[in-house]
Amino acid sequence: KQEVTQIPAALSVPEGENLVLNCSFTDSAIYNLQWFRQDPGKGLTSLLLIQSSQREQTSGRLNASLDKSSGRSTLYIAASQPGDSATYLCAVNQGGSEKLVFGKGTKLTVNP
Amino acid sequence: KAGVTQTPRYLIKTRGQQVTLSCSPISGHRSVSWYQQTPGQGLQFLFEYFSETQRNKGNFPGRFSGRQFSNSRSEMNVSTLELGDSALYLCASRQGVTEAFFGQGTRLTVV
Repeated sequence: KQEVTQIPAALSVPEGENLVLNCSFTDSAIYNLQWFRQDPGKGLTSLLLIQSSQREQTSGRLNASLDKSSGRSTLYIAASQPGDSATYLCAVNQGGSEKLVFGKGTKLTVNP
Repeated sequence: KAGVTQTPRYLIKTRGQQVTLSCSPISGHRSVSWYQQTPGQGLQFLFEYFSETQRNKGNFPGRFSGRQFSNSRSEMNVSTLELGDSALYLCASRQGVTEAFFGQGTRLTVV
């Protein structure tokens, strides 16, 4: 059974800092991995999708990497801003199903 | 292009009642999945529909059911509501096993 873990559960940084969020999964037979952002009481906003054959994806100040063999992904946020404050979730998609298995998320606070 | 639309946004129901939630996917997307989010359990998969057929079901009791219509819109129903059903219910729309797009969710409170 696939399990996804995100560490740390919460992170507080000063504005302008570069930071890394971690995601690990137990079964490396994944089809893709997706990072999401969730603001309080809201739905999920897709940030980046990495296919199992890819090593990384970039969008603006965000860079996500994937090491399938070790069961790890990282989300790098450059030059953090207060508007980046949210909960960040990673989810993996097993082959043969569209079901996403989520981690519990990392709550990020960027202080001005 | 319009995103995923979930209605209603908020619901308050009494224990024992039933509730129906609606999800309209992105135009052209035929796959709709439903998730329950609670502070304790996080996001848990409920079920997945593709072309009006349920393809996968999560580990939830039979009180949770769903369906998908020919226009890809989906509904989920929860019967005999319990306090523990209070949660944010999210639906996701996809075109195949690609990027999933989520709606804003329906916040269900059972009193």
